[in-house]
Amino acid sequence: DADVTQTPRNRITKTGKRIMLECSQTKGHDRMYWYRQDPGLGLRLIYYSFDVKDINKGEISDGYSVSRQAQAKFSLSLESAIPNQTALYFCATGQGGETQYFGPGTRLLVL
Amino acid sequence: KQEVTQIPAALSVPEGENLVLNCSFTDSAIYNLQWFRQDPGKGLTSLLLIQSSQREQTSGRLNASLDKSSGRSTLYIAASQPGDSATYLCAVRPLWAGNQFYFGTGTSLTVIP
Repeated sequence: DADVTQTPRNRITKTGKRIMLECSQTKGHDRMYWYRQDPGLGLRLIYYSFDVKDINKGEISDGYSVSRQAQAKFSLSLESAIPNQTALYFCATGQGGETQYFGPGTRLLVL
Repeated sequence: KQEVTQIPAALSVPEGENLVLNCSFTDSAIYNLQWFRQDPGKGLTSLLLIQSSQREQTSGRLNASLDKSSGRSTLYIAASQPGDSATYLCAVRPLWAGNQFYFGTGTSLTVIP
């Protein structure tokens, strides 16, 4: 089984809808991250969490919220989806700020 | 803000060639630099991690170098194989950014059999 899993893998939604992307990890890491990847822009950090009581905004947090339900689970929500949030979303985990381990990604299309 | 640039954006080489991928960054005050590989439909896989105090790291046919003062890193791939075809990304962790990593846009590599 994969160390970092993301659900769903693909999602199509409409403008204004609220959606949640979920991430689970079995690596026992404290740190979890959400990134989005856009063509020509690389990966950009949305939110990160050091533990269940510590949530931090990344470079592009506007329009997103997160929840760290447990050490192993970190969810990303789009409160009211808009077309420019169409992107590939990655969850990652890490320990001590070193190597990060990435999930397979969620491809989101907002119509 | 840290800017990370990777050149070229795409590269196509015949099998067996040695090749170099480049990464440059604007702020040399970094904690470490990583090279990742991204395959279609899959996440990123860490290839090499270089701490700011190190000059290079090696893993099999891969060698990554770091020149922090000039803001540059290179990934050298020896004897390329078709299985090396993927997008290669570099990421830096600035000293001032806590646990934030800044990624380049990647180099898409195709190795032709």
